Amino acid sequence: EPEVTQTPSHQVTQMGQEVILRCVPISNHLYFYWYRQILGQKVEFLVSFYNNEISEKSEIFDDQFSVERPDGSNFTLKIRSTKLEDSAMYFCASSVRGGRGTGELFFGEGSRLTVL
Amino acid sequence: TQLLEQSPQFLSIQEGENLTVYCNSSSVFSSLQWYRQEPGEGPVLLVTVVTGGEVKKLKRLTFQFGDARKDSSLHITAAQPGDTGLYLCAGAGGSEKLVFGKGMKLTVNP
Repeated sequence: EPEVTQTPSHQVTQMGQEVILRCVPISNHLYFYWYRQILGQKVEFLVSFYNNEISEKSEIFDDQFSVERPDGSNFTLKIRSTKLEDSAMYFCASSVRGGRGTGELFFGEGSRLTVL
Repeated sequence: TQLLEQSPQFLSIQEGENLTVYCNSSSVFSSLQWYRQEPGEGPVLLVTVVTGGEVKKLKRLTFQFGDARKDSSLHITAAQPGDTGLYLCAGAGGSEKLVFGKGMKLTVNP
């Protein structure tokens, strides 16, 4: 069964360092997302990406964050200068029709980011 | 701001019991999804409901979308230890963003 894959599964970094989280969405999906979940809190939307551009972003997704689809398979989230409060589980998701359709998202297993 | 409130937040029951989880909002959603999440893993989609009043069944799980599309429920019949996990509801409100509830942590004891 097709699945969304994410790497790394866990990354520990020092405050102020740049981090890149990688995702391979399901191959025939057109909409790509990043969500995050701080320990014990709700899953929160960060950004959606369609047709090689950001289609929507949340207030969390400030200038320190960027996304890219450098080739036909990978989708990356970059945090330029990490802060302690960026520590969270980051989930990549993909969808055939997107949130304005049925909203069915398929999530990866997550990348746990720990900022020291 | 769209919010989804889930209740109860925690439930510990014995194998064979029935349970219902509620997901409520003051906002209308175009669709609502239920996910199950295991510790340290991503949410796994269980079902999507789209039409007000819709009922969907997935083996021992029954999902209902409220007539006004503001609330949903998940009913599990004869719960089993394998049902243990975090159950999340998430609503799509006409944008790309899914709004998640905080989840209901279910423990089914053998």
